[in-house]
Amino acid sequence: QSALTQPASVSGSPGQSITISCTGTSSDVGGYNYVSWYQQHPGKAPKLMIYDVSNRPSGVSNRFSGSKSGNTASLTISGLQAEDEADYYCTSYTSSSTYVFGTGTKVTVL
Amino acid sequence: QVQLQESGPGLVKPSETLSLTCTVSGDSISSSYWSWIRQPPGKGLEWIGYIYYSGITNYNPSLKSRVTISVDTSKSQFSLKLSSVTAADTAVYYCARKPIGKPFDYWGQGTLVTVSS
Repeated sequence: QSALTQPASVSGSPGQSITISCTGTSSDVGGYNYVSWYQQHPGKAPKLMIYDVSNRPSGVSNRFSGSKSGNTASLTISGLQAEDEADYYCTSYTSSSTYVFGTGTKVTVL
Repeated sequence: QVQLQESGPGLVKPSETLSLTCTVSGDSISSSYWSWIRQPPGKGLEWIGYIYYSGITNYNPSLKSRVTISVDTSKSQFSLKLSSVTAADTAVYYCARKPIGKPFDYWGQGTLVTVSS
């Protein structure tokens, strides 16, 4: 299985909105509403930010939102803050009952 | 509160078998799927596989021939064995909980395993 494709880096100024894409195939992202997004700060374990395409776990800021169109899922961070600077990974369930992660995106707050 | 803790050798020789254990507390190991995920230094996350308490497993096709995940319900532990390791298997290894129908929600802190002679 191939890793889902994400942009290597995305940047924005404080207060702006940014969107990270996650492109897969009809056998993973496009075939199921089981896309999740994780935030990872250096040296830390990943933290769940969005699950089932657009659901936010309790405690996650409503500045984070998710969506999907066809084989591409997206994570939007609105009102960008310094603490949002981190790596972000998408993951999807696949038709083989396995899971695949995205290549990862480094978010920089300018 | 759910907690997961990885344990095992931090250094493994090439061609040998990497063995790690994840100890679960604050939750019944019979309630969820349990996964191993790894991250080579400076690189992205890679799903290794999962196990259910009943013993049902599924593995990443790229690692399937070398991976075994097992569970010991009496100790609330599950384990990873990765055989014939090379330097490419050097990574931080995480264990994670995946409730049925839910995403990976709780993760261990991760443990660095280096493959070197």
